[in-house]
Amino acid sequence: GQSLEQPSEVTAVEGAIVQMNCTYQTSGFYGLSWYQQHDGGAPTFLSYNALDGLEETGRFSSFLSRSDSYGYLLLQELQMKDSASYFCAVRGRDDKIIFGKGTRLHILP
Amino acid sequence: ETGVTQSPTHLIKTRGQQVTLRCSSQSGHNTVSWYQQALGQGPQFIFQYYREEENGRGNFPPRFSGLQFPNYSSELNVNALELDDSALYLCASSLWGDRGAFFGQGTRLTVV
Repeated sequence: GQSLEQPSEVTAVEGAIVQMNCTYQTSGFYGLSWYQQHDGGAPTFLSYNALDGLEETGRFSSFLSRSDSYGYLLLQELQMKDSASYFCAVRGRDDKIIFGKGTRLHILP
Repeated sequence: ETGVTQSPTHLIKTRGQQVTLRCSSQSGHNTVSWYQQALGQGPQFIFQYYREEENGRGNFPPRFSGLQFPNYSSELNVNALELDDSALYLCASSLWGDRGAFFGQGTRLTVV
């Protein structure tokens, strides 16, 4: 089976940097992805890590350590529009994508 | 816009009834997954279809069933609706082995 752990909430200040962590247990692993979901909206794909290391896409970076079954999403230069829920998701060998419960990001002005 | 469309957007049903939700996947995508998302929770995997065959199922009872058609669109059917089935139902389309999936806007189902 697969399980993912994420902190339920994180609060940060506009303009700052925030890191959201994810640990996972899985019987098969292809990669770790991150999704953003605004209230009332659908999840939107942000990034994907199949190998160890850091992937950067603009203000968003995602990190993976396969040996530690751990990853994080880093958001820089926070903007109010980044207030949302962020989900990590594991892609297993059977190509299914299983989601964590998500981290709610609150941004203070 | 992800190119994934779901219908209807909202639906109210009575306990015991049956419901069919529909999803048109993004052009070129051969895999469709269905998720149930309760308020404040992450999407829970229901099942996945790849080239018209069910390719794995989450922890949902048999009254949740589905279909994928030759054009890769898909349906989710739920029989004998229960109050706890009230949730947002999300369809995600992808290309097998691709990095991420693209979600539709979901169907908000309310069972009364």
